Amino acid sequence: AQSVTQPDIHITVSEGASLELRCNYSYGATPYLFWYVQSPGQGLQLLLKYFSGDTLVQGIKGFEAEFKRSQSSFNLRKPSVHWSDAAEYFCAVGENNDMRFGAGTRLTVKP
Amino acid sequence: DAGVTQSPTHLIKTRGQQVTLRCSPKSGHDTVSWYQQALGQGPQFIFQYYEEEERQRGNFPDRFSGHQFPNYSSELNVNALLLGDSALYLCASSLGSGEQFFGPGTRLTVL
Repeated sequence: AQSVTQPDIHITVSEGASLELRCNYSYGATPYLFWYVQSPGQGLQLLLKYFSGDTLVQGIKGFEAEFKRSQSSFNLRKPSVHWSDAAEYFCAVGENNDMRFGAGTRLTVKP
Repeated sequence: DAGVTQSPTHLIKTRGQQVTLRCSPKSGHDTVSWYQQALGQGPQFIFQYYEEEERQRGNFPDRFSGHQFPNYSSELNVNALLLGDSALYLCASSLGSGEQFFGPGTRLTVL
């Protein structure tokens, strides 16, 4: 069965520092992988997605993620975090008629 | 172009009652999916509607039912409410199996 694990419940970084959010997945075939961001009181916004091809995926707001099949990982990165990046981040696997989400990582940005 | 809209924003019910949540998809979208997001958790897939029929269903009891109308809007109904049904209910729309766009959600509190 497909599943997603986000090992870090909460991460705090300083503004301007780099960021990496971890995501590990379990999926029987080539996965469709996604990262979403959720701000308080808001729905989910898609940051980026991986279906096939280049394993380094560029997304919106300066985010990128790298698919590593050997490690079953799809970690999200950003070279320099802005205060507005503070939010909840969700990794997801699957297709839109059966998408599985991780429990999320809450990002706090220190000034 | 309005995105996905949901109503109401907040709702308070008591155990045993029934509730109906509503979703209007993004213009041009024909597929609606519903998710339950409990506090501190990632969204869990409830079901998906396409062409007014339930196309796929997650691991939720029959107390959760839905409907899609000819204009592609959708309702989620929950009968015999339990305390554990308290959650943020998210609606997402897409054009077929394309990218999902999420609404802001309906916060349901069951007392």
